[in-house]
Amino acid sequence: KNEVEQSPQNLTAQEGEFITINCSYSVGISALHWLQQHPGGGIVSLFMLSSGKKKHGRLIATINIQEKHSSLHITASHPRDSAVYICAVKDRGPGTYKYIFGTGTRLKVLA
Amino acid sequence: DTEVTQTPKHLVMGMTNKKSLKCEQHMGHRAMYWYKQKAKKPPELMFVYSYEKLSINESVPSRFSPECPNSSLLNLHLHALQPEDSALYLCASRKIFLQEDTEAFFGQGTRLTVV
Repeated sequence: KNEVEQSPQNLTAQEGEFITINCSYSVGISALHWLQQHPGGGIVSLFMLSSGKKKHGRLIATINIQEKHSSLHITASHPRDSAVYICAVKDRGPGTYKYIFGTGTRLKVLA
Repeated sequence: DTEVTQTPKHLVMGMTNKKSLKCEQHMGHRAMYWYKQKAKKPPELMFVYSYEKLSINESVPSRFSPECPNSSLLNLHLHALQPEDSALYLCASRKIFLQEDTEAFFGQGTRLTVV
């Protein structure tokens, strides 16, 4: 079992729909990152969370440390939101340096 | 400027060629990373430089040779690669290596094809 699990793996939505992508992890973490990767390959950091909730435009990210779970919500989805969304965590521990990546959620938003 | 710039965007090379990938950032970040990403897989860490010194080598074959000539620039020298090395190579930077809760900034990647 992966230390970071994302669901769903693939998601197709109609433009305007509210979208939720989930991330569950099994390790103690210092921070959780949501990343967006477009087909061209470049990765954009959307959020870094260690508690609570963050909002940026149409994107909202929440984290529940006790339940080891985070969600990424997209309101009023648009075709340009089509991308792979990756959850990444850094293990809490002295000297740990590696991000543990989820396998990604492939989102397609249809016009 | 919050950009990490990678060049070239695409590279096709033969197995006997020598080529280099370049990564540049001007955010004053002192930790720089190379990742390799195969299709539909998450990125895999290759190397970490901290204050221009190699801190982490994730058992990467010697045909990949990293170099950090200054605090803004990170190179990856390639020699005698194999077709299975074809992948997207991503560079990332963070303010300081091992500092908690600092954001990582990624480049657009170099898509490498070895023929």
